[in-house]
Amino acid sequence: GAGVSQSPRYKVAKRGQDVALRCDPISGHVSLFWYQQALGQGPEFLTYFQNEAQLDKSGLPSDRFFAERPEGSVSTLKIQRTQQEDSAVYLCASSLTGGRSGNTIYFGEGSWLTVV
Amino acid sequence: AQKVTQAQTEISVVEKEDVTLDCVYETRDTTYYLFWYKQPPSGELVFLIRRNSFDEQNEISGRYSWNFQKSTSSFNFTITASQVVDSAVYFCALSEAAGGFKTIFGAGTRLFVKA
Repeated sequence: GAGVSQSPRYKVAKRGQDVALRCDPISGHVSLFWYQQALGQGPEFLTYFQNEAQLDKSGLPSDRFFAERPEGSVSTLKIQRTQQEDSAVYLCASSLTGGRSGNTIYFGEGSWLTVV
Repeated sequence: AQKVTQAQTEISVVEKEDVTLDCVYETRDTTYYLFWYKQPPSGELVFLIRRNSFDEQNEISGRYSWNFQKSTSSFNFTITASQVVDSAVYFCALSEAAGGFKTIFGAGTRLFVKA
């Protein structure tokens, strides 16, 4: 597709359930990012991939959060044993080139996770 | 440490009014990049502009204009003759050359444009 595609768009999970969120970046984009956006807040960085390599995971809030991009294209963000504080919009973004800052990143519509 | 402050939480204007969204940033880096994104109700963040720290020239794109002033660490965004379709949350963001791969976002300003 032309843009970053995320699925599911909406997910309701029971507390303690595992969830997996998928991101399909813009074709050919080297860099892929995951951000978490709580209600009424700006996005907060979770993790960064350059191709299949996870170069920065400093923003992952706990070891219950795990991300992968095994073939350098599609990425999955997995949250184990979900807690209510995990309720947020999870945004995936990609950019054409790799490397450090300054590259414009393009966002998907997000996966809205509600933990009940 | 890097930080972005958008002091205006919500702004409400009547259609055709001009409106300015403020953004103040903090960084220790001499090379950095500033961005504005628009987030409509659908949730997708739409890229509006990218500016690097060495280019202080103001920019105009249609009804949108940006005023970058390093002396006051500000990167303000003005919408001229606002329209109802401009209603959205607007985010200012900062990325440092030495700051790794992350982009830091402000808390956003929600703009309501009434007909």
